[in-house]
Amino acid sequence: AQTVTQSQPEMSVQEAETVTLSCTYDTSESDYYLFWYKQPPSRQMILVIRQEAYKQQNATENRFSVNFQKAAKSFSLKISDSQLGDAAMYFCAYGIPNYGGSQGNLIFGKGTKLSVKP
Amino acid sequence: ETGVTQSPTHLIKTRGQQVTLRCSSQSGHNTVSWYQQALGQGPQFIFQYYREEENGRGNFPPRFSGLQFPNYSSELNVNALELDDSALYLCASSRASGRGSYEQYFGPGTRLTVT
Repeated sequence: AQTVTQSQPEMSVQEAETVTLSCTYDTSESDYYLFWYKQPPSRQMILVIRQEAYKQQNATENRFSVNFQKAAKSFSLKISDSQLGDAAMYFCAYGIPNYGGSQGNLIFGKGTKLSVKP
Repeated sequence: ETGVTQSPTHLIKTRGQQVTLRCSSQSGHNTVSWYQQALGQGPQFIFQYYREEENGRGNFPPRFSGLQFPNYSSELNVNALELDDSALYLCASSRASGRGSYEQYFGPGTRLTVT
């Protein structure tokens, strides 16, 4: 069974600094997606960034980038120039493509609570 | 473009009662997934609806059931509520494509408290 592990329950970063959140996963599949979602205290889950396993290039979205190590089954999120608004729970998630047109579920880690200090 | 909406925002029920939660998917999306998020945990997959049929189910008992309507909105029904059903229930919509893009967009959730 696929599993997603986030080993850092809490992290803290100084405003304008860089922080890296860790995620490892276990799967026997070769084709899958990985995601980082942000859940602020207002609780609406927001997609931050996604990575397709068949793409070797690491995904980047503005201040957010990932370090995808497929062989090591590692998928870390780097937040550069941290802002107060980045404070939230961050969830790593895994999903498998379904070529039949429908989609399967996402498997989430337990999350990392990020605090940003002014 | 209208995002995913859920109702109600909060709900308090008594053990043994039944509850219905509602979700309106984002415009252009035809797939709805439901997740249960216990306090301090990541979301757990309950089930997914595609073309008005259940399309995958997580490790939840049959008292968790659902519907998807022709306009792609969805309901989650929970019968015989238990204290452990207290959680945030998240609905996520997505648009199925040939390769099944996995960008699921979440609603704000319904906080269910069972007393």
